Amino acid sequence: GAGVSQSPSNKVTEKGKDVELRCDPISGHTALYWYRQRLGQGLEFLIYFQGNSAPDKSGLPSDRFSAERTGESVSTLTIQRTQQEDSAVYLCASSLWDIAYNEQFFGPGTRLTVL
Amino acid sequence: KNEVEQSPQNLTAQEGEFITINCSYSVGISALHWLQQHPGGGIVSLFMLSSGKKKHGRLIATINIQEKHSSLHITASHPRDSAVYICAVTPNTGTASKLTFGTGTRLQVTL
Repeated sequence: GAGVSQSPSNKVTEKGKDVELRCDPISGHTALYWYRQRLGQGLEFLIYFQGNSAPDKSGLPSDRFSAERTGESVSTLTIQRTQQEDSAVYLCASSLWDIAYNEQFFGPGTRLTVL
Repeated sequence: KNEVEQSPQNLTAQEGEFITINCSYSVGISALHWLQQHPGGGIVSLFMLSSGKKKHGRLIATINIQEKHSSLHITASHPRDSAVYICAVTPNTGTASKLTFGTGTRLQVTL
């Protein structure tokens, strides 16, 4: 596809369950970012991947959150033992190269609801 | 205090009006981004700039690095411009170009 895709588009889960969110970046984009947007709040950075370098995990809110990326392709964000405060839209973005002047292309997001 | 502040938070305009959304930031930056988020939709990058002014159709973005301020202008506004407009910066500290976001300006353009 031409753009960043994410799946699922919506996920409803019960408190305490684990969830896995997927992001397919634009082909050839070496940098990949995960962001979170809680209802009524601004976007927050979670984690970023650049090629084979160690990811920048400085935005992950707790050790229940983790993410992986296979090479320069798909990334998965995993939330273990979900809590109600994890409810948010999780957005993935990719860019051609990780320098400040590269535009980030956003996916449509995954809306996570924790009951 | 947030590193990126936007004003106004909410804005209602009539079709055809000239609209200005402001963004101030408190950190040194490599670049500033203006993003558009439609209800229920994803985020689209409108502009990325590090100096001066950029224009795309009816949209104009300006930045003043010395004053740490940027504006997004919409000329001849239309109801389809109704969306949340988000200012984001790439701080020039660290190595990652992760974005720091403002809280957004919700724009409603009516007929």
